[in-house]
Amino acid sequence: DSGVTQTPKHLITATGQRVTLRCSPRSGDLSVYWYQQSLDQGLQFLIQYYNGEERAKGNILERFSAQQFPDLHSELNLSSLELGDSALYFCASSVASRLAENNEQFFGPGTRLTVL
Amino acid sequence: AQKVTQAQTEISVVEKEDVTLDCVYETRDTTYYLFWYKQPPSGELVFLIRRNSFDEQNEISGRYSWNFQKSTSSFNFTITASQVVDSAVYFCALSGVNDYKLSFGAGTTVTVRA
Repeated sequence: DSGVTQTPKHLITATGQRVTLRCSPRSGDLSVYWYQQSLDQGLQFLIQYYNGEERAKGNILERFSAQQFPDLHSELNLSSLELGDSALYFCASSVASRLAENNEQFFGPGTRLTVL
Repeated sequence: AQKVTQAQTEISVVEKEDVTLDCVYETRDTTYYLFWYKQPPSGELVFLIRRNSFDEQNEISGRYSWNFQKSTSSFNFTITASQVVDSAVYFCALSGVNDYKLSFGAGTTVTVRA
């Protein structure tokens, strides 16, 4: 158990809908990262927040957005869903802002999103 | 940009055999960090090791060992005396000194048969 929690574990929805994925980082971790794992794209970084502020953006679609709240939990919002958005979405957390600061990313169990 | 190549898509071995997973990386950073993660059938990503680019010492942890060779940009992972519980997808990942993210390889699926 990494200490990172994600809800829900599974989500099934229809095209065009909007969903929210939730992540709680490990106690003491200030950084939250979102990754998408799909069959065709592999594991891809989406976005990072550090202590409530956006720090880095990866291959995140405009239909997707995220935020980190004062209690440090984070939410990833996916809207106008398409079939291709079906994937496993991971949240990870770390103590510091950058990996250079000698800290690992610990991953949550993931949320499996299926868009029908 | 960082790039990680795991050329082996799938490896199948019989229990107690050794298995080596290859990882080759590309980076322009002089300081960088290499990682291995395990993804068992249950789906979670489990951190195994981090190696700093300035530390080329090989590492052994139980049945796991890692061989870091800067000269060939490789960070290979060996499971000795494999067990069925080692069946998983293994990912190699890279991060530069100023990176905020991990760049993952495509993963190698290891199947250990009893």
